[in-house]
Amino acid sequence: EAGVAQSPRYKIIEKRQSVAFWCNPISGHATLYWYQQILGQGPKLLIQFQNNGVVDDSQLPKDRFSAERLKGVDSTLKIQPAKLEDSAVYLCASSLVLGAANQPQHFGDGTRLSIL
Amino acid sequence: AQSVTQLGSHVSVSEGALVLLRCNYSSSVPPYLFWYVQYPNQGLQLLLKYTTGATLVKGINGFEAEFKKSETSFHLTKPSAHMSDAAEYFCAVSLQGAQKLVFGQGTRLTINP
Repeated sequence: EAGVAQSPRYKIIEKRQSVAFWCNPISGHATLYWYQQILGQGPKLLIQFQNNGVVDDSQLPKDRFSAERLKGVDSTLKIQPAKLEDSAVYLCASSLVLGAANQPQHFGDGTRLSIL
Repeated sequence: AQSVTQLGSHVSVSEGALVLLRCNYSSSVPPYLFWYVQYPNQGLQLLLKYTTGATLVKGINGFEAEFKKSETSFHLTKPSAHMSDAAEYFCAVSLQGAQKLVFGQGTRLTINP
């Protein structure tokens, strides 16, 4: 079974530029998550999708961050414009069904974003 | 709202020694509890989880954890550390019926030869 795929692995941009990350979840997984992991901290949920609908985006800074999952499969996360505090690893995860909290989330290797 | 506290941001043990990583949670309802491991430049991998039933949970790589409701704890242990156990470990909690994971700040485990 192929795992969660993310690209790019690394990205360096200057502040005020825009950047986009891509995620392809495990085949058949209906639920997709984007997390932000700042150095030295645990991951923090940014947004959760069930198929192509948003379930929870309460912690997404909507003035600069956006995410979509148009066909209910892969997803993109965008930051525009980037700030220095956005330097972090962005992790994508997927799980089989929504509402089954005992279903494990499977994580990709993440995209490490550095803002200069 | 639920939260997770991991005691000790850095734990160092000798190879072959007992590993003990501490996790305490707060939740107004019975939670589901997870331990994840993260190797450098990789995503998180599930070690073990507690949902219901037996409070002593066994996971991969010889790790286990015990859910103690009275102490609101879910400490991770391994009887004998191996060099390959060096990594960052995260405890996480979610509410039943929801899948939003709340993570602790992590504990970096170092193994001394």
